[in-house]
Amino acid sequence: QVQLQESGPGLVKPSGTLSLTCAVSGGSISSTNWWTWVRQPPGKGLEWIGEIWHSGSTNYNPSLKSRVTISVDKSKNQFSLKLSSVTAADTAVYYCARDTDVSGAFAYWGQGTLVTVSS
Amino acid sequence: DIVMTQSPDSLAVSLGERATINCKSSQSVLYSSNNKNYLAWYQQKPGQPPKLLIYWASTRESGVPDRFSGSGSGTDFTLTISSLQAEDVAVYYCQQYYNTRTFGQGTKVEVK
Repeated sequence: QVQLQESGPGLVKPSGTLSLTCAVSGGSISSTNWWTWVRQPPGKGLEWIGEIWHSGSTNYNPSLKSRVTISVDKSKNQFSLKLSSVTAADTAVYYCARDTDVSGAFAYWGQGTLVTVSS
Repeated sequence: DIVMTQSPDSLAVSLGERATINCKSSQSVLYSSNNKNYLAWYQQKPGQPPKLLIYWASTRESGVPDRFSGSGSGTDFTLTISSLQAEDVAVYYCQQYYNTRTFGQGTKVEVK
């Protein structure tokens, strides 16, 4: 059973860079799946941030594209998110997720990590 | 971008009664070459990540009770809970995966 676990600082200063890592267990980051980041501001809905294939190919949400970088580390079986120039609007629970083997729906999710942007 | 719009934003249903949630996409998510609708439904309870219920618009994920069903095609979709149980109180989201990914704004389901 694939398991995902997010990690990273829970507090980031305004104008700084948010950095999170998603560790994958029970499966390989080199499998034929998209590895994804989704966020959820407190009390609000889900927002797709972007995704990466094990080859390094990426797709990003156009509204965040200029500030987002997603990368993969095959040696550590993990993938990462960097979001630059953060503001209070980037405060959210950040989830990593993986799609199913037969569709682009997300069957596997991490528990999520709250990142607060504040000075 | 494909915009997903759900209705209603919230609904209250008596236990044992039917709950119906609608989702409309700004463009078709039906891929003609395989006749599949690239549409999923999720359930999210407080403090938990979303849980996949339905993909390909109508295929139930393994382990999901059969009181949950999905229907629709093209731009209009529906999630139906045939007989609401107390444990179904949650927020439900639709999501398209036809062109990157986008979620609907969510529908909160409560017990009347």
